[in-house]
Amino acid sequence: DTEVTQTPKHLVMGMTNKKSLKCEQHMGHRAMYWYKQKAKKPPELMFVYSYEKLSINESVPSRFSPECPNSSLLNLHLHALQPEDSALYLCASSQVWGDNYGYTFGSGTRLTVV
Amino acid sequence: GQQVMQIPQYQHVQEGEDFTTYCNSSTTLSNIQWYKQRPGGHPVFLIQLVKSGEVKKQKRLTFQFGEAKKNSSLHITATQTTDVGTYFCAVNNNAGNMLTFGGGTRLMVKP
Repeated sequence: DTEVTQTPKHLVMGMTNKKSLKCEQHMGHRAMYWYKQKAKKPPELMFVYSYEKLSINESVPSRFSPECPNSSLLNLHLHALQPEDSALYLCASSQVWGDNYGYTFGSGTRLTVV
Repeated sequence: GQQVMQIPQYQHVQEGEDFTTYCNSSTTLSNIQWYKQRPGGHPVFLIQLVKSGEVKKQKRLTFQFGEAKKNSSLHITATQTTDVGTYFCAVNNNAGNMLTFGGGTRLMVKP
């Protein structure tokens, strides 16, 4: 298995909703990442997990809450989002954090906040 | 994170023409990665360059890392419609633990 699987593929949520994005990989990668990508812009790093521990939080608002239940799973819990949070949310993994290997990205969740 | 400037922002070419995108940094890079993102898709890792002056080829794609390790280029020979997408360079910070993407070059190919 050489894929990163993200669910759901599309999500529409209201500003008072609570939802979660899920990411799964079975490549034995020990580093996992959340990126946010707005239209026609590059992906921007949000969070880094290394060996299931949060290693980097790029000053992301607390309405985004990451969770890494085990080495294969990564969640992003969403609460009280704003319309400007609408974007493509990409999960990625790499063999080990800081080893300079290429990242494997999932196909993303396209989030619309209404 | 590390900053890289990528040019051009957009490029329209006729099918069969060549295409080049450039990434430039004001500081020396430890390595540079290249990704391709098709319209509506996700970034796909193409290659990583590590050594000064390194040149790597993948079929019609040629990747170069500058001698000073401050710039890199991706050249596509004889573009095809399947080459359409946005090409990103990406670099790690000095600690090697934060991958930052350049602004990307969006390639459009006219058949």
